[in-house]
Order: sequence, then C-alpha cells, then structure tokens
Amino acid sequence: SAVISQKPSRDICQRGTSLTIQCQVDSQVTMMFWYRQQPGQSLTLIATANQGSEATYESGFVIDKFPISRPNLTFSTLTVSNMSPEDSSIYLCSVVGQGINEQFFGPGTRLTVL
Amino acid sequence: AQKVTQAQTEISVVEKEDVTLDCVYETRDTTYYLFWYKQPPSGELVFLIRRNSFDEQNEISGRYSWNFQKSTSSFNFTITASQVVDSAVYFCALNSGGYQKVTFGTGTKLQVIP
Repeated sequence: SAVISQKPSRDICQRGTSLTIQCQVDSQVTMMFWYRQQPGQSLTLIATANQGSEATYESGFVIDKFPISRPNLTFSTLTVSNMSPEDSSIYLCSVVGQGINEQFFGPGTRLTVL
Repeated sequence: AQKVTQAQTEISVVEKEDVTLDCVYETRDTTYYLFWYKQPPSGELVFLIRRNSFDEQNEISGRYSWNFQKSTSSFNFTITASQVVDSAVYFCALNSGGYQKVTFGTGTKLQVIP
C-alpha cells in the first residue's frame, strides 16, 4: 500500500485568505485525487491531479478557487483560495495503489475558516 | 452514472453484538469495484476491502465479513462481536466505467456501547 502524508494536518484560517495543502506519497503514482469532506458529510471529489497537465475538476469546483499543482509523480498541492466559513472541511489526498482501482487516502487536513 | 446508498445514518449496538451495515449501489457498467472504508474519530480513512464485480464470493476477515449480491446490487458489511474500537463512520464506495474516480455513500455512523 502507498503511504501518504499531508501538511498541515489542521489549520484555522481567516476569511479571505488562502491555504495550500501538500500531499506527499512514498512511491510514484500516476493519478492523485483531492477530496473534500464537509462536516458530517460524505467525501466529494474536487479534482484529479495530473502530472504534466492541468488538473481535471469535477462539477461545482473551479481552478480559480482550488488551484492544484502536480510537479512530479509523488507530490501535489491543493490551494483553497479566498476562503469562507463554507470551506471548513477535511481535505483528503488520495492515490491509486498498485492494485487495480485500489485507492488509498492521506490522513486529511482539517480546515476551519473563521 | 454511479450511485451508492447507505440508508442507515446511525447505528448503536452494545458491545459483543453483531451488526450489519447496508450498502446498495447503482451502475450501468458490467465491470466495477466496491469498497468499504472506515473513518474513526481521528478522521483518517482506512481501507477495509475491495471487491470486483466478477467475484461474488463472500469474504471473511477476522470479525469482518462482506456479503456481495449482484442480484440485489448490495454489498453489506457485518461486524461480529462488535467492540468499542469499531466505533467509526463506515463508507461504502463504488468505482466503475474504467475511471479511477470513486463515488462514496453518505456513510453509516456506528457507535458501540461498552
């Protein structure tokens, strides 16, 4: 299984600011994903981070709000821009492991926006 | 389109009782994968099991067992002799259509009372 780390593990931010979340994997992976989990809710896919090309965003999510970088096969960042209290969530990085469609998740970043 | 329904929002059981978590899925694809994840209060998602659509054999792992029935599009999860450490939110998830994206159910919160 892939070992995934995320930084920061949690943060409290002010409205209008931006936060960049880092995701590091211990092995090279083709596909990385960013999910959001709002309080008491299920996970919703934000985007697929592609190495060497722009991220692919799901309906309801835009690049201006959630810019993503994928500089190599082991690292990705998600920025939550111009934050509002509605952005308070857990943000999870995910990768597909060596097994077909076996997906592993990072520990998550708990974001609180005041 | 793919969809996962977990009708049970919250379940409470007394320690040592058996408990079954229900999962019903929808997909038009003949090839798909089903997952169960555990999310303890710490927030991290723990991968429990993956099944593909061609393997309906039920699986047992310690106190955990899974019942996959294509006829009813269900993939239920049973915990035998529940323990307090089993208290968590459990998510059923589906991946189909050859895509790596995973669709999650809304989760079932399990509370095991000592």
